[in-house]
Amino acid sequence: KAGVTQTPRYLIKTRGQQVTLSCSPISGHRSVSWYQQTPGQGLQFLFEYFSETQRNKGNFPGRFSGRQFSNSRSEMNVSTLELGDSALYLCASSEGLSLDTQYFGPGTRLTVL
Amino acid sequence: AQSVTQLGSHVSVSEGALVLLRCNYSSSVPPYLFWYVQYPNQGLQLLLKYTSAATLVKGINDFEAEFKKSETSFHLTKPSAHMSDAAEYFCAVSGASSGGSYIPTFGRGTSLIVHP
Repeated sequence: KAGVTQTPRYLIKTRGQQVTLSCSPISGHRSVSWYQQTPGQGLQFLFEYFSETQRNKGNFPGRFSGRQFSNSRSEMNVSTLELGDSALYLCASSEGLSLDTQYFGPGTRLTVL
Repeated sequence: AQSVTQLGSHVSVSEGALVLLRCNYSSSVPPYLFWYVQYPNQGLQLLLKYTSAATLVKGINDFEAEFKKSETSFHLTKPSAHMSDAAEYFCAVSGASSGGSYIPTFGRGTSLIVHP
């Protein structure tokens, strides 16, 4: 099976812009989670989607949003970008909501200037 | 509430030497514990996980970890380091969330350096 894919891999934006990142899970996986990784804050959970429904949300402002489509592909959107949003955004998929193993994609490196 | 402390942001070993990466956790519910590895410019890969079965957990690439409730620890070991083990290692703890899934809390990571 193909692994988790994320597009684009690299992105440069300026403050105030918005950005949409995409994640395609492993075929058959219904759960997609998003994480933000920065040197200062480490790995932080953003949100989790299962069967097109947001099941959990981390402690991030409302500028961060996401959605999941019927084919389990997921997008996350960040509006009104700030310099502090520069990070590696990781997507992970798993079969279900339990303790199924999460498989991570390579991430999207977002740089905000 | 749950948290993870990884002792040592960097650990340096010689090739062939024992690898020991330390992780202590805090959890208000029975914890589930994980170790992940991250290579440069890649996502995380699960090495092993503890889900309340055997306390000694064996993972991929000869890594293993032992759950010690009395010490609230889940240290990662490997008998003999290889150059290819050089990477960032993350310990994570999770417990059931209100949404019915297990959202992990990650430690800050330990960079493993392997010298020839």
